Order: sequence, then C-alpha cells, then structure tokens
Amino acid sequence: GENVEQHPSTLSVQEGDSAVIKCTYSDSASNYFPWYKQELGKRPQLIIDIRSNVGEKKDQRIAVTLNKTAKHFSLHITETQPEDSAVYFCAAPTGANSKLTFGKGITLSVRP
Amino acid sequence: NAGVMQNPRHLVRRRGQEARLRCSPMKGHSHVYWYRQLPEEGLKFMVYLQKENIIDESGMPKERFSAEFPKEGPSILRIQQVVRGDSAAYFCASSPPNRGFIYNEQFFGPGTRLTVL
Repeated sequence: GENVEQHPSTLSVQEGDSAVIKCTYSDSASNYFPWYKQELGKRPQLIIDIRSNVGEKKDQRIAVTLNKTAKHFSLHITETQPEDSAVYFCAAPTGANSKLTFGKGITLSVRP
Repeated sequence: NAGVMQNPRHLVRRRGQEARLRCSPMKGHSHVYWYRQLPEEGLKFMVYLQKENIIDESGMPKERFSAEFPKEGPSILRIQQVVRGDSAAYFCASSPPNRGFIYNEQFFGPGTRLTVL
C-alpha cells in the first residue's frame, strides 16, 4: 500500500517569509496529490492539488511542485500571513480505488 | 450547492452505547469516504462507499463498526458498544463519480466529534 510521509512535523516562519513543506510517497502508480489545510477544530480543506502529468501548479500565494522520479511533492506558500497558521496534510491515492492515504500533518506557525 | 453535511457535530456516549454518525454528500456526488482523526494525528481511512455498495472497508475495525450508504438518505457510520478508544473526530468526504482513471477531489464535511465517557 501507499506510504505517505511529511517532513518536518512543525515549521515556524516569520510573517512575510516563504514556507516549504515536503511530502514523500511510495507508490509510483499514484497520479494525484492533494494538499489539505486544517485549522483547529475545523474540517480539512482542499487548498491545491496536482496531477502526475504536470510538474508545478500555482494558485496565488500557494504552489505545488511534483517530482515523480524522486516520488515527492512540495507545498510552497509565499508571503506568509498569520492566517496561514494551520496543520497541512498531504495525501496520495492508494491502489485502484479512490481512498486517500494522508501524511501525519505539519503544523505551520506564522509569527507576526 | 451545499457542502458535505454531517450530524451530529458533537456526540457524547457512555461506554457500551451505540453511536450513529450521518453524512450527506454534496449534490451530485455519489462517493462517500469515512476517515477517523485522533487528537493531534492525521486522517485514517476507514471505508469507501457508493450508493448501496461498500467498495473498500479495509480501514474499518473488524468488530463493532459498520457503514452503509442507502439508495435514499445519508450515509451512516455505526459504532456499537463504544469504548473510550473510539473517542475521535470522524470526518466524511464526498466526490463525484470517477471518470475512468481520472481521480476526483474529495471534499470534507465538518466532522462529528465523538466523546466516550
């Protein structure tokens, strides 16, 4: 089955700086990689995703890059703001069906 | 278009009681997934259902847990004879029908926080 790992487990940045969160996966057949943001007590929200036919995708201040050879993908947040503070989860599909395997999450803290 | 709905939002049960969690997918979505999240941990897949069918229940505990998604009405996650270790947030997510091997986004509901006393 799929094994998804995130590093580091916590990340603290100064407001305005960039943050990069990396995720590795094990199943070379995986072709879809979402990132979810979860604020305390709230639902996970899909913030960006990438499919295996592209190497990078951007949406305003956030971007995701994919390296299929190395089997990792990264979330990039530029010009961080305090409201970016949350837990960020990466995921990858497992097997032939649609279930997602999630990483353990990274707690991002943006210092004002 | 209302998002994924879950109820109740909070549920308190005593050990040995039954817990029923409900999930209504987004309009047009026919796939439902249940995940469990323990405090300060990630989301663990439990079960994947389509209307009247369980597609993958590889993440469900062998005993006490069951799930259904009837032709009419919400999906139900049922936990019988709850124990303290069942205390967690239970999230459901829904997605539209798959288009061949093109994977569809999953959108999450607000979750049900189960507390077992």
